[in-house]
Amino acid sequence: GIQVEQSPPDLILQEGANSTLRCNFSDSVNNLQWFHQNPWGQLINLFYIPSGTKQNGRLSATTVATERYSLLYISSSQTTDSGVYFCAVEQRYGNKLVFGAGTILRVKS
Amino acid sequence: DVKVTQSSRYLVKRTGEKVFLECVQDMDHENMFWYRQDPGLGLRLIYFSYDVKMKEKGDIPEGYSVSREKKERFSLILESASTNQTSMYLCASSLPVTDTQYFGPGTRLTVL
Repeated sequence: GIQVEQSPPDLILQEGANSTLRCNFSDSVNNLQWFHQNPWGQLINLFYIPSGTKQNGRLSATTVATERYSLLYISSSQTTDSGVYFCAVEQRYGNKLVFGAGTILRVKS
Repeated sequence: DVKVTQSSRYLVKRTGEKVFLECVQDMDHENMFWYRQDPGLGLRLIYFSYDVKMKEKGDIPEGYSVSREKKERFSLILESASTNQTSMYLCASSLPVTDTQYFGPGTRLTVL
């Protein structure tokens, strides 16, 4: 099946710093999503981005489908950005997602 | 707002017990999913359902079964719990077309 690799596995930032998280996938996909899991375990969808670039406040994401990767940018990080960031891909229609292992982000004040 | 609820946040069971995890969504979503989350492995799909009484195996269905008798409710069943089923279990729902999935708060299950 498709492989989804995320990097880095862990990241520690000082509040106010910027960061880039990467997601590589091994085959063509129908859809790609980024999720944030807060320290209490709740997963929230950040972006639905099969291709192109999207921005939402301090977060933005870019997917280059032809090169099989996606990037999540976090600018001016805040302590509330801490948690685990997951990339998930859908290979065929039906919304069955395959998740990467995640990037654990810790933002220090 | 979509709301997905799970019956328990924390659950402790003994080896060999039959365990029921319940998930309810209030947005009339056709699709429902059960995942387990383990450190370093991300989320792995156990079972999913596209409609009432329909179910399909995900990537790791062994040791689990599911039930979907009503559209809003999707149950995960551990027929005989084992220690390697200690994990965080997450339920999600979505519309039938490709769409974002909405997740419940999770159930952290410990099997002793």
